[in-house]
Amino acid sequence: DTGVSQNPRHKITKRGQNVTFRCDPISEHNRLYWYRQTLGQGPEFLTYFQNEAQLEKSRLLSDRFSAERPKGSFSTLEIQRTEQGDSAMYLCASSLGGTSNQPQHFGDGTRLSIL
Amino acid sequence: AQSVTQPDIHITVSEGASLELRCNYSYGATPYLFWYVQSPGQGLQLLLKYFSGDTLVQGIKGFEAEFKRSQSSFNLRKPSVHWSDAAEYFCAVGAQNQGGKLIFGQGTELSVKP
Repeated sequence: DTGVSQNPRHKITKRGQNVTFRCDPISEHNRLYWYRQTLGQGPEFLTYFQNEAQLEKSRLLSDRFSAERPKGSFSTLEIQRTEQGDSAMYLCASSLGGTSNQPQHFGDGTRLSIL
Repeated sequence: AQSVTQPDIHITVSEGASLELRCNYSYGATPYLFWYVQSPGQGLQLLLKYFSGDTLVQGIKGFEAEFKRSQSSFNLRKPSVHWSDAAEYFCAVGAQNQGGKLIFGQGTELSVKP
């Protein structure tokens, strides 16, 4: 069990640029989640996948955000035309699917800073 | 709608003292409840979880939590705090019909005095 891996750990970019983050879940986990955490707050749900299917998207996920999980393995989260308000920690988690009571295992996150 | 409230934003305890972090949730059915801990710049580590059965659950690092349905609470406790317990603690709730997504409280920052 190598844990959930997220890259990069830190991304600094100028407003208006596009950014992409990657998440590699624990290998046998078929559910993958994305959360956003701003300073002083708990994580907020963005979206989740069961295998390659994106099953739910939060209203927080504007049309500038897109997530994919090709082949049901790693996932990418892309933000287009970044804005100051996108500055946050983006956390990925994975779990075994089937039931909703399986605990989620989190990566160390990608911290996005918008200049 | 589901919600989680952690009333204490910041708590300071002395090393060796006991600890209780409060968590109240709002949900119509029996929720799945979790406590996570986060060190600065790190992801979240699961401390313990409650799904059903015994309402007192044991977790890692000597933590325990008690589910009280009548009070809609799931408070985290530890009998003797160590300096390494200083971190941010998050309570979270999930549900069977929510696809596994978690709703988190805003967190309680724990400081430990020597």
